Amino acid sequence: DSGVTQTPKHLITATGQRVTLRCSPRSGDLSVYWYQQSLDQGLQFLIQYYNGEERAKGNILERFSAQQFPDLHSELNLSSLELGDSALYFCASSVGAATNEKLFFGSGTQLSVL
Amino acid sequence: AQSVAQPEDQVNVAEGNPLTVKCTYSVSGNPYLFWYVQYPNRGLQFLLKYITGDNLVKGSYGFEAEFNKSQTSFHLKKPSALVSDSALYFCAVNSGYSTLTFGKGTMLLVSP
Repeated sequence: DSGVTQTPKHLITATGQRVTLRCSPRSGDLSVYWYQQSLDQGLQFLIQYYNGEERAKGNILERFSAQQFPDLHSELNLSSLELGDSALYFCASSVGAATNEKLFFGSGTQLSVL
Repeated sequence: AQSVAQPEDQVNVAEGNPLTVKCTYSVSGNPYLFWYVQYPNRGLQFLLKYITGDNLVKGSYGFEAEFNKSQTSFHLKKPSALVSDSALYFCAVNSGYSTLTFGKGTMLLVSP
């Protein structure tokens, strides 16, 4: 068990809808990362937060947004969903923001857009 | 831009034999290199990393990796494979100024 908790584990929704994925980092970790994993694109970095502030942004669509709350949990909001958004979404955490730190991954949220 | 190449989609090895999973990278500046493993229906787990120093890095579950700067490679190795090592392996790279970039992954299948 990595100590990173993601909910829900599975999510089935329809095109055009909006969903929220939740992540609780390991106790003491200040950084939260969001990744999207799909068969064709592999693991794509979406966004990183450190202690409540956006730290780095990757290939995140404008329809997607995220935030990190004062208790350090994070939410990824996906709106106007399209079929192509179906993927496994991972949250990861690390102690700090340094790029040489190892990441601890949650078990992911499997999103299916029908 | 930084990138990682894992040239093999799948590696097959018999239990007890040595295994190698290949990784080459491209990054500006000095690289930080990582290996992660993903078991079915699980998140990625950290295996090992190279930051600086000794080119041979030892990690979890008996795995090791060798950093080769001239060949820009960071191959993952294990002297004797176990059936339980069967999983999806990801190589990843970043520099001091960027976030982690993952390779496409290599499926390792260890047969009894």
